[in-house]
Amino acid sequence: AQTVTQSQPEMSVQEAETVTLSCTYDTSESDYYLFWYKQPPSRQMILVIRQEAYKQQNATENRFSVNFQKAAKSFSLKISDSQLGDAAMYFCAYRSPYGGSQGNLIFGKGTKLSVKP
Amino acid sequence: GAVVSQHPSRVICKSGTSVKIECRSLDFQATTMFWYRQFPKQSLMLMATSNEGSKATYEQGVEKDKFLINHASLTLSTLTVTSAHPEDSSFYICSAPKTGDWETQYFGPGTRLLVL
Repeated sequence: AQTVTQSQPEMSVQEAETVTLSCTYDTSESDYYLFWYKQPPSRQMILVIRQEAYKQQNATENRFSVNFQKAAKSFSLKISDSQLGDAAMYFCAYRSPYGGSQGNLIFGKGTKLSVKP
Repeated sequence: GAVVSQHPSRVICKSGTSVKIECRSLDFQATTMFWYRQFPKQSLMLMATSNEGSKATYEQGVEKDKFLINHASLTLSTLTVTSAHPEDSSFYICSAPKTGDWETQYFGPGTRLLVL
């Protein structure tokens, strides 16, 4: 079975600075998808960034980028120029390559990010 | 983007009653929907997979007779918590990928259930 581990329960960053959230996973599958989701106090899950395992290039979405190390099974999220609105719980998630009823997400325990003004 | 709604957003009920939570995909069809439960300050745990026109698939440890799931159409899945007890109090979230586009899941805003 696949597992996702986030070893940082809480992180803090100064506004405008850069912070990196860690995530490791375990799987025997060679193809899969990895995600970072943000959950603000409203509890609405918001997709931050997505990475397909078959792509060597790291995904980037504006201020958000990932460092995907497939051999090490590591998938960290870097937030540049942190903003107050970035404060939230961040969940790393894994998904098998299959669709349909096998397409559920497996979540890590989350990292609570605080942004100091 | 695609929109998923949940109703109600929050519900308070007495112990022993049943509560129905609806999950709707508003602008796309979803043959599969997922139901997650999230306890305070914890992660999302998959409860069951809802399949349109067939029986739901439950995760180990989730009582199918207690958490009834019905996926009657391509845009609606319902979760009914039967004979609710205080330990069922939690945040319930549904998600759905677009049929034919499995890469991204769209989440509902969640339902907060409090059983007194």
